[in-house]
Order: sequence, then C-alpha cells, then structure tokens
Amino acid sequence: GDSVTQMEGPVTLSEEAFLTINCTYTATGYPSLFWYVQYPGEGLQLLLKATKADDKGSNKGFEATYRKETTSFHLEKGSVQVSDSAVYFCALRSGGTSYGKLTFGQGTILTVHP
Amino acid sequence: DSGVTQTPKHLITATGQRVTLRCSPRSGDLSVYWYQQSLDQGLQFLIQYYNGEERAKGNILERFSAQQFPDLHSELNLSSLELGDSALYFCASQGFRSGANVLTFGAGSRLTVL
Repeated sequence: GDSVTQMEGPVTLSEEAFLTINCTYTATGYPSLFWYVQYPGEGLQLLLKATKADDKGSNKGFEATYRKETTSFHLEKGSVQVSDSAVYFCALRSGGTSYGKLTFGQGTILTVHP
Repeated sequence: DSGVTQTPKHLITATGQRVTLRCSPRSGDLSVYWYQQSLDQGLQFLIQYYNGEERAKGNILERFSAQQFPDLHSELNLSSLELGDSALYFCASQGFRSGANVLTFGAGSRLTVL
C-alpha cells in the first residue's frame, strides 16, 4: 500500500539557518505529493504541492521538488524564521486524481530559536 | 478560520462511553474526510463521505461510525471508548475553487478517554 516516510524529528535550528526535511514515498502509479504545516492548536494547512515528476512546489520561501527516480519530495527553506516553528507533514494522494484520501508521514517537529 | 468547523474542541470522557464529534464543511464543499491523529499512529485516514454517501474507508474501527447528513455536515460516532482512542480527530472538506480541488482541515476535536 501507499506509505510516506519522513525524517525523524524534532529538528531544532537557529533563525536564518537552512532547513531540509526529508520525505520519501511508496505508491502505485503517479501520486500527487504535498507538504502540510500544523501550527500549535490549529488544523493542517497546505504549504505546497506537486502533481507530476520534476514539478517544484513553492510557497512562503519553502520549496520541494517531485523526484520520481528517488521517490522523494524533500522540503527546503533557505533561511528559517521563528514563525516557521510548527509540525510539517509530507503526504501523497495516489491514483492520479485530484480527489481521494491523503496518506501522511509521521510529521516532523521544527523549532526555530532566535 | 479555515471555514471547516469542528465541535467540540475538547472532550473528556470515561472508558466505555460513547461520544459524537461534529463537522461542518466549508460552504459548497460536498466531500468530508475524517482523520485520527495520535502520538503513536500519526495521522490515519478513517473515512470519506461525498454528498451523503460513503466513498472510502480507511483504518476505522468497528466501534466507530460516521455519516453525512443532507445539509452536508458530518458526525463521527465513537462508542465503547478505550484509553487508546484518546487522540485528535480532524475533519477536512474538499471542494473545487480557483481551478483546483482544495482540501481544508478543521482545527480538530481533542478526545481524552480516562
């Protein structure tokens, strides 16, 4: 079945440091890939997405590239801020459709210190 | 405010009891998903409804049931509660806007079983 594996957390960084959160997946067909962010006490919010190989999703300085050859969708940001402290989830939707359930990774807690 | 409303926000109950969690989707969204978030299992898909009909089932226990009503709100019923059912339960609704299918999460209902 479908699965998503994220790097173990928590991740602790200083402000302006470079961020990478690794994500790899197993899925049949050509899944769509997503990163969601969860701030304390809130629901998940879509951060970015990519729907086909070599697509790059980007938003708020975050980027991730859909790499079919390595089945990966690593999240990166060049300079993190304290306000980026949150839990980040990698997810996929299989089947090549825009509807249907998402399969999530276990989440990575990011803490950014001033 | 994401537009997806979940009630109650917090619920504390005892083992063996039954509770109902409610979700009101974003206006115009026909599809509702339920997810369970726990420390050991991460985010698990439970069930999906579309316009009142069950569309997909995930890791939902037999003690749990759900339905979507004609006004599109959904309820998740949890019965014979066990300590392990303590978790954050998220509802998400999906609809087509601005040229894309958008999945929007509510803030969740935190269930504590004592």
